[in-house]
Amino acid sequence: ETGVTQSPTHLIKTRGQQVTLRCSSQSGHNTVSWYQQALGQGPQFIFQYYREEENGRGNFPPRFSGLQFPNYSSELNVNALELDDSALYLCASSLSRGLGADTQYFGPGTRLTVL
Amino acid sequence: QKEVEQNSGPLSVPEGAIASLNCTYSDRVSQSFFWYRQYSGKSPELIMSIYSNGDKEDGRFTAQLNKASQYVSLLIRDSQPSDSATYLCAVHSGGGADGLTFGKGTHLIIQP
Repeated sequence: ETGVTQSPTHLIKTRGQQVTLRCSSQSGHNTVSWYQQALGQGPQFIFQYYREEENGRGNFPPRFSGLQFPNYSSELNVNALELDDSALYLCASSLSRGLGADTQYFGPGTRLTVL
Repeated sequence: QKEVEQNSGPLSVPEGAIASLNCTYSDRVSQSFFWYRQYSGKSPELIMSIYSNGDKEDGRFTAQLNKASQYVSLLIRDSQPSDSATYLCAVHSGGGADGLTFGKGTHLIIQP
């Protein structure tokens, strides 16, 4: 167990809808990253939050947005869902600095299906 | 464009043998290297991290790093059926705001 939790476990949405996924980071880890993992692929970096600010982003459009809260929880929001957004969404927490600061621990993921 | 390449497999290894998994990366400034294990339908689980050239051992697992060749490997000794999973190689550039760049993973099958 990594101490990182995510909700919901599974979600089904239709094209064009909006979705919010939630994550609770490991205590003491104030950096959270979100990844998208399509079937048969490795996880792809969406963005990273530190101290409630986005401080890094991968190659994802602005309709993917996030929030981080002071209590180690965070959200991933996706607007105008497309069929290709169907994937496993992973939240990972890490320390902000120091030895092993870039070691990321993953939550169980949210499986999103867009119909 | 940062890339991490892995042979997708499946790699089939008899129980008790050594499984050897390989990974190459394109970004020369990469600083940190990780191996994650992912069972079907589950999230990635950290197996090993390595930062310096050479070998790092942890139980039955040994990670090997060669920065000059931009190559990382994972050896699993005394392979067990429970080691059957997809193994993901991940690389971090060392920049504070960068995420991990993952390969597509190698599907490992340990044959009883």
